Parts: sequence; C-alpha cells; structure tokens
Amino acid sequence: AQKVTQAQTEISVVEKEDVTLDCVYETRDTTYYLFWYKQPPSGELVFLIRRNSFDEQNEISGRYSWNFQKSTSSFNFTITASQVVDSAVYFCALSDSSGGYQKVTFGIGTKLQVIP
Amino acid sequence: EAQVTQNPRYLITVTGKKLTVTCSQNMNHEYMSWYRQDPGLGLRQIYYSMNVEVTDKGDVPEGYKVSRKEKRNFPLILESPSPNQTSLYFCASKGGKPSGNQPQHFGDGTRLSIL
Repeated sequence: AQKVTQAQTEISVVEKEDVTLDCVYETRDTTYYLFWYKQPPSGELVFLIRRNSFDEQNEISGRYSWNFQKSTSSFNFTITASQVVDSAVYFCALSDSSGGYQKVTFGIGTKLQVIP
Repeated sequence: EAQVTQNPRYLITVTGKKLTVTCSQNMNHEYMSWYRQDPGLGLRQIYYSMNVEVTDKGDVPEGYKVSRKEKRNFPLILESPSPNQTSLYFCASKGGKPSGNQPQHFGDGTRLSIL
C-alpha cells in the first residue's frame, strides 16, 4: 500500500525567507514515482516536478529545489527567497505498482502563506 | 490549447437528485481520473480509466459511477447524491502509457454542494 505524509498542514513565512515543505512516503516497491503539485488560491492544480525512484539526484529550478532521499523515504521541497506568489497549497503524491502506477496517492497538502 | 474541461464549475443540488459532472480532454490521453478534495484529507482518487471501456475503482468509489465510451470524455455520475458528497472534484488526464510516470493535467475543478 502506498502512503504520503505531509506533516506540516500550514506554514507561514515572511517574504524572502526560505521554507522547506516536507514529504514522507511509504511504499513496498522499488520502482515508484513522486510528484509535487501546487494549488494557488485560484484553485487549479499545477504540476511542479516528477521524480522516479531510480533518480536520487536533487533538482533545482530557479528558486525551487527538491531533495529526494530514499534512505529516509523523503522528497522535500524548498523555496528559496519566498515570494507572495508562492502562497498556495502544495501537494506531494506517489504512484507505485500496487495500483499499476495508475492509482495516485496524494498527501493532505501543506498550505504555505508568504507574508509581505 | 491543451486542456481538461469540467462542467459545471459549481452546482448546488438536493439529496437524491441524479447529477453528472462532465470531463473532456483534447490531448488524446488514454488515462483519465477523478478525485475529490476535502479539507484535511487532500485529494482522494475516486475512479480512473486506462482507456475506452476500461475503468477501475480508486480509494473512494462508493456512491459514484463513471463511464468511458469515448477517449476524450470521462463523466462522473452521482446516481443519488448525499450531503457527504459535498466536495471539490477534479478530473485529470495524463499522456504516455497509462502505467507511465507522466504528470497529470487537471481540470479547474467542480464545486458540488448537496443539500
């Protein structure tokens, strides 16, 4: 069975601070995929990043970076120099072979508020 | 423009009155899925479909039906809606193999209120 835990339900930071959103997952598979999605106040869901279990290389995209560690089953997301536009709910998600890679389990989301 | 379109965007209705939420995608994707989003519970998968006439249950299928008669459409049917189905619903599709790791494209959501 697959499970995703986002222990931080809400985070508030002041603009320009760095913030890390935690994601811990559970799976029995050796092949699985992890995702992060952003849901701004307007409500749509926006894909941010995908990672497969064989690629532990960290990734940086502008102010965003992701730290994937299989040893701790974590896929954390860091925003550097946060901006008000980063205010959103962020979801971590997992798919593995238990659902034929067709069932996707989402965490409950972390609501990030960036205060100007 | 590549998109997933849901209708209606908002609906207030009463218990027991059958309703259908339509979902259409123009990307020729084989895989489509429905989710509901509730406070404190995140997104939970209701049903998914790997191709025409191929559907399967997600984590919370009770009280819902789906059909996949055409590749582009994947309607969500509530035969006898109840107040606990009040929620925000998202339809999604993804390209590549249904078992692949492509990210999903989501519709803009449908907010259902069942009184």
